[in-house]
Amino acid sequence: GESVGLHLPTLSVQEGDNSIINCAYSNSASDYFIWYKQESGKGPQFIIDIRSNMDKRQGQRVTVLLNKTVKHLSLQIAATQPGDSAVYFCAETQNYGGSQGNLIFGKGTKLSVKP
Amino acid sequence: DAMVIQNPRYQVTQFGKPVTLSCSQTLNHNVMYWYQQKSSQAPKLLFHYYDKDFNNEADTPDNFQSRRPNTSFCFLDIRSPGLGDAAMYLCATSRDLVSQPQHFGDGTRLSIL
Repeated sequence: GESVGLHLPTLSVQEGDNSIINCAYSNSASDYFIWYKQESGKGPQFIIDIRSNMDKRQGQRVTVLLNKTVKHLSLQIAATQPGDSAVYFCAETQNYGGSQGNLIFGKGTKLSVKP
Repeated sequence: DAMVIQNPRYQVTQFGKPVTLSCSQTLNHNVMYWYQQKSSQAPKLLFHYYDKDFNNEADTPDNFQSRRPNTSFCFLDIRSPGLGDAAMYLCATSRDLVSQPQHFGDGTRLSIL
């Protein structure tokens, strides 16, 4: 089965609020994680990544947190805007074995931003 | 400018009629991937090329084939499309297999009549 999953399939937030999207993974050997944003009718768009030797990484309005102890990944979006409405996928890569580098996607969380 | 380009954006074919989907990249990346994505699901990897080396996922049906004639182009061939093959097909590239983000095109939506 999939080793990456999401706690919440849908998330609705008010414009201007912060959003937190969570993701759990089961393989402690995974060492690279990515968040993607997918808008309707488009391909997944890279948002931010993090390697397992880091706990936190920040981008523009986004922060990814990695807790290896509990195998948990989160994406925080500050001051959520209507343009942030999309499905968000976490993904992990396993850099070993025959599946080296293959992305394993979580199920996705749909973020809806209310004006 | 789009760096991973998929053509066409929409493709309609008949049940059992072979179809080819195209992907090109301007990133000069070593790896090219093909994914299938059905409605409200995550992308599912079909196969990838590392340079000229083809790597097929174990559960990819034989009906799906791929060609990579050069670094920039990769094709997905569906030999005998069935109704269950109607989906969005996504192409992605990455510089290398290890610890590199994959960059996706906007996909080709395939419909089967």
